[in-house]
Amino acid sequence: EVQLVESGGGLVQPGGSLRLSCAASGFTFSNSWMHWVRQVPGKGLVWVSRVDANGSATSYAASVKGRFTISRDNAKNTLYLEMNSLRAEDAALYYCARGGDGHRYTFDIWGQGTMVTVSS
Amino acid sequence: DIVMTQSPDSLAVSLGERATINCKSSQSVLYSSNSKNFLAWYQQKPGQPPKLLIYWASMRESGVPDRFSGSGSGTDFTLTISSLQAEDVAVYYCQQYYSTPLTFGGGTKVEI
Repeated sequence: EVQLVESGGGLVQPGGSLRLSCAASGFTFSNSWMHWVRQVPGKGLVWVSRVDANGSATSYAASVKGRFTISRDNAKNTLYLEMNSLRAEDAALYYCARGGDGHRYTFDIWGQGTMVTVSS
Repeated sequence: DIVMTQSPDSLAVSLGERATINCKSSQSVLYSSNSKNFLAWYQQKPGQPPKLLIYWASMRESGVPDRFSGSGSGTDFTLTISSLQAEDVAVYYCQQYYSTPLTFGGGTKVEI
């Protein structure tokens, strides 16, 4: 079964750090571009970051650039998002998603998400 | 950044009737070298992650019912549900992938 399972969310104080993980199964992870997308409950979707198949190229939304780092371990079929200097506005449900085959900047497989709460 | 604007914010459609959702981009998402529109549509049901319905503006993802269709080019796009079913109640989002940052429309809630 094709699956993405996020973990690592939780409550963190402003200025704190968190590392999200996304375990992939059921497809060839090492051939896939991967993304993080976030959503405040009841609000819209916001793209956060992406990484290419071998982890050598990344890009970020301006709002997280310099604070968040996307990475992957293809041997472990796992995607990561290291989040530093967290702000209240970073609070959201964070989804990992696979880039579509042949259209890598779309999202054809999604996890269920992991919730990040930033509050003192 | 390319701004995506959807209309309407919500619509109520009777079962079996047509639903039409519009999406406008602040600049063209048509890539001239391959004549492809870098525009996708997603469906998000309550408590679930989004699901890819359409890419390249009009190509249905595998397994998506053929009552869903996408059209348009350049800056103006439409998602049509030809005969609304109860399971189609959801929020629908358009997304451009012409350039980063990738951006989504604000969503259209479809109700019965």
